Amino acid sequence: AQKITQTQPGMFVQEKEAVTLDCTYDTSDQSYGLFWYKQPSSGEMIFLIYQGSYDEQNATEGRYSLNFQKARKSANLVISASQLGDSAMYFCAMREGRDFGNEKLTFGTGTRLTIIP
Amino acid sequence: NAGVTQTPKFRILKIGQSMTLQCTQDMNHNYMYWYRQDPGMGLKLIYYSVGAGITDKGEVPNGYNVSRSTTEDFPLRLELAAPSQTSVYFCASSPRVYGDTGELFFGEGSRLTVL
Repeated sequence: AQKITQTQPGMFVQEKEAVTLDCTYDTSDQSYGLFWYKQPSSGEMIFLIYQGSYDEQNATEGRYSLNFQKARKSANLVISASQLGDSAMYFCAMREGRDFGNEKLTFGTGTRLTIIP
Repeated sequence: NAGVTQTPKFRILKIGQSMTLQCTQDMNHNYMYWYRQDPGMGLKLIYYSVGAGITDKGEVPNGYNVSRSTTEDFPLRLELAAPSQTSVYFCASSPRVYGDTGELFFGEGSRLTVL
């Protein structure tokens, strides 16, 4: 089974609208972390936001928020007031376990977001 | 502050050739990683290192070797290049201290084509 599933290969959103990028995960660990990374056309990977499995509040970073629904095993990224510069590939990723040495950050296949002026 | 630096950024290899992708970081991070990204796919872990002298296999290690003689450097070696190794390679590092998130800091990537 896929550990990280991103079901939206591509999305088109009007500028200034909010957008939700879906991510579901699969793990039997109680302790895990969820990440979102942005990859613009230039290719670099940019860290956006992190949610720990024990965090009770949804993570927020500026215009980015993570809608964490633990029972559903979903960690959707919400971008408010989208901008043209948000056009990029977005990856959801998970780090399982708390122990050092378990470093296998697993990535989803990504969602390509295009913001329309 | 340069962060994570990868060289070369682009390389074309012939089948059977060997090469080394260089990665260096100046953040004094203990943990370093090599990922590959195939077209339209997410990143897959090749090898990682938790400190100088210590390396371990990731999800897709076949055809690659690594070494970690210093905290700063983590080169990735391809011994006999194959077309299946055509990919974009990312080096990353992480401080991995207690209480941190485990965020990875990525280099800009190296695009390798094997013909």
